[in-house]
Amino acid sequence: NAGVTQTPKFQVLKTGQSMTLQCAQDMNHEYMSWYRQDPGMGLRLIHYSVGAGITDQGEVPNGYNVSRSTTEDFPLRLLSAAPSQTSVYFCASSYGPMNTEAFFGQGTRLTVV
Amino acid sequence: AQKITQTQPGMFVQEKEAVTLDCTYDTSDQSYGLFWYKQPSSGEMIFLIYQGSYDEQNATEGRYSLNFQKARKSANLVISASQLGDSAMYFCAMRAGVGNKLVFGAGTILRVKS
Repeated sequence: NAGVTQTPKFQVLKTGQSMTLQCAQDMNHEYMSWYRQDPGMGLRLIHYSVGAGITDQGEVPNGYNVSRSTTEDFPLRLLSAAPSQTSVYFCASSYGPMNTEAFFGQGTRLTVV
Repeated sequence: AQKITQTQPGMFVQEKEAVTLDCTYDTSDQSYGLFWYKQPSSGEMIFLIYQGSYDEQNATEGRYSLNFQKARKSANLVISASQLGDSAMYFCAMRAGVGNKLVFGAGTILRVKS
């Protein structure tokens, strides 16, 4: 049972480069989210999706794009990487109702130089 | 807007003692869910406990209990009989609002001393 799989685990980018962080889940969850974790700030919501074809912005969406063409996949695109996007990124999925916990991937540590 | 506040950046507790990690929340919704997660130094996020806004009894899961005071908008985590393996970052989170978004607090680092 794979759960939520994020790739890559580590990435170094140069300023201005673009890349896609991959997230896939095999639990048939409708809800998927991307967070970034920075010291002292907890996890901040970047974008989320309540089902295939439906996405919305979270607290810190600038500089990131998402799409949800299938239930399983929810990739996060960095359009033009900046040093301020150096962070640990987590993807999470859940069934969606109020009382359901989110399952998290192992995280991607991104450094932008 | 939803907001979670964790006012304790760091806490120390002696092994085998109980510890309370504070969490207050803010939402205008009547229906919401409150969660606690543990993040050890290895980085993974581990779900600990859940409390619904309409639950009349405090949630318990083994050594974890959630002290839910709705009028005060607080959802403190109590860990009984602390163990060295409890040393970790702890996050309080709330699910509410449009899309049932899960919003997190800044976290509390707990260190258990032997």
